[in-house]
Amino acid sequence: SQKIEQNSEALNIQEGKTATLTCNYTNYSPAYLQWYRQDPGRGPVFLLLIRENEKEKRKERLKVTFDTTLKQSLFHITASQPADSATYLCALGPPSYNTDKLIFGTGTRLQVFP
Amino acid sequence: GAVVSQHPSRVICKSGTSVKIECRSLDFQATTMFWYRQFPKQSLMLMATSNEGSKATYEQGVEKDKFLINHASLTLSTLTVTSAHPEDSSFYICSPRQRTSYNEQFFGPGTRLTVL
Repeated sequence: SQKIEQNSEALNIQEGKTATLTCNYTNYSPAYLQWYRQDPGRGPVFLLLIRENEKEKRKERLKVTFDTTLKQSLFHITASQPADSATYLCALGPPSYNTDKLIFGTGTRLQVFP
Repeated sequence: GAVVSQHPSRVICKSGTSVKIECRSLDFQATTMFWYRQFPKQSLMLMATSNEGSKATYEQGVEKDKFLINHASLTLSTLTVTSAHPEDSSFYICSPRQRTSYNEQFFGPGTRLTVL
């Protein structure tokens, strides 16, 4: 069955540095991949979507890469701020575009220290 | 982005009682509704998918008689946890979809259910 892995250890970085989070998956070929932010006790908030034929996507201080050969996505936050502290979820889209089902990773908690 | 509300945000109930959770899409019509459950430090697990006016499709391992889903209108869906037990304590999150657009997916703020 498909498996999606995010680093379960919290990532602690200093303000101003670049945070890099990893999402690896196996036994699956998603048509797209999404990243979400989740704050404690809240629902996820969409950040970025990247499709299988795209290598990189950017949005303000965020950058996502997608390597379908390595079956890996990297999520970068540049010039990180304490307000970026949250759990970041990776979600795999289905293999085809005929359904909306997502498979979520467990998330990586990011803590940005001033 | 779309506005999604859930009510209640928190509920504590005794074992054996039933709890109804409402999910509303306030500024768009949701033809599809996804219901997720999230245990502490775990990922969101899809429980069921419902389309307006039809029966919900449940994921493997989710009891349809225990988790009743009603999607009677394009702006309201309800999840009823019947005869709740402590193991049902979790964070329940709805996610309405206007159509299959393969773009951002909106989520409700979630409902924290604690069964004593």
